[in-house]
Amino acid sequence: EAGVTQFPSHSVIEKGQTVTLRCDPISGHDNLYWYRRVMGKEIKFLLHFVKESKQDESGMPNNRFLAERTGGTYSTLKVQPAELEDSGVYFCASSHRQGVMPDTQYFGPGTRLTVL
Amino acid sequence: GESVGLHLPTLSVQEGDNSIINCAYSNSASDYFIWYKQESGKGPQFIIDIRSNMDKRQGQRVTVLLNKTVKHLSLQIAATQPGDSAVYFCAEIRRGGRRALTFGSGTRLQVQP
Repeated sequence: EAGVTQFPSHSVIEKGQTVTLRCDPISGHDNLYWYRRVMGKEIKFLLHFVKESKQDESGMPNNRFLAERTGGTYSTLKVQPAELEDSGVYFCASSHRQGVMPDTQYFGPGTRLTVL
Repeated sequence: GESVGLHLPTLSVQEGDNSIINCAYSNSASDYFIWYKQESGKGPQFIIDIRSNMDKRQGQRVTVLLNKTVKHLSLQIAATQPGDSAVYFCAEIRRGGRRALTFGSGTRLQVQP
């Protein structure tokens, strides 16, 4: 079974440009999460999709970040315009079950974003 | 790797010894705890989890202990191997329906051959 995949693995852009990150969850997983680690900080939650719906977007830092999951399969995270402080590693995770109890979140390898 | 710029406490052990990695959590409303392992260039990899109605859970070579009284979580790795070298994170999910993981800052485990 393929794991969570993310594209690109690295992205270097200039301040003010736009970048779109993609995540393909494990097939059949309804839950999809975005997290990020910026320099010197812990991994922080950004948002959670259940299928195509945003279940929790409390971690999104500001309106320069837009996440979508059209069709409930892969997801994109767009940063527009990118700022220097957006540099870091962006992780995607997916999990299978819905219901009351949380289940294991499986992480992708991350996309390293560098904003110059 | 992703840890550049992130100053982590480091635990250095000899191959074959047992390792104990500790984590303190702050929210007494957390009811699900997970340990993740992250190797350089990779995403966090699930190791073991424990729910708040338990105080111990064992896996293959790993044991997680939960002390809710002092809000402390530990990961014990038996017979540590060079392949165990990585950064280890504890994470928690807080009661109330949200699924967001709250991560700790991590501990780097270095296994000396």
